[in-house]
Amino acid sequence: DADVTQTPRNRITKTGKRIMLECSQTKGHDRMYWYRQDPGLGLRLIYYSFDVKDINKGEISDGYSVSRQAQAKFSLSLESAIPNQTALYFCATSDLDKSGYTFGSGTRLTVV
Amino acid sequence: GESVGLHLPTLSVQEGDNSIINCAYSNSASDYFIWYKQESGKGPQFIIDIRSNMDKRQGQRVTVLLNKTVKHLSLQIAATQPGDSAVYFCAENMGRDTSYGKLTFGQGTILTVHP
Repeated sequence: DADVTQTPRNRITKTGKRIMLECSQTKGHDRMYWYRQDPGLGLRLIYYSFDVKDINKGEISDGYSVSRQAQAKFSLSLESAIPNQTALYFCATSDLDKSGYTFGSGTRLTVV
Repeated sequence: GESVGLHLPTLSVQEGDNSIINCAYSNSASDYFIWYKQESGKGPQFIIDIRSNMDKRQGQRVTVLLNKTVKHLSLQIAATQPGDSAVYFCAENMGRDTSYGKLTFGQGTILTVHP
């Protein structure tokens, strides 16, 4: 099983719909992140959480919300999806003193 | 290096050649840098990291060089193989505050290795 699992892998939704992307991890890491990837723009941070009671906005949080249900689970919601939220979304985890992130395989979201 | 607009920098090499991928970072206070590899359909994968108190770090077939004077990071891949074909991202940790662990990513470079 993957260390960081994202569901769904692919999703097509209509404008105005609410959608939730889920992320679970078996790494035992306290820190979790949601990034968005667009062609030519790299990865941009949406929200991050350093422990269960901690939620922080990233650089592009407008139009998104998150919930940290447990140490292992961090979900991303689009309350009312719009077409420019079409992108590849990645969840990642990290440990306090260890290097780097562990990424999930991504969720490809298309808003039509 | 960093790209402008929607077009990623690309690097094409022959199998067996050495590859050098460059990255310009933005924050002189950044104290930690990482290179990631992203293959098609997958999430980014950690390659190698370096802290700001170092100029060079070597791994297996990879070397990262850090030039703090010009805020430049490079990834050298020795004896490049077709399996090295991917998009490569640099990332920096923006500073030494409590937000340690929040990385900012570059736009990426596409490496294509020809057999």
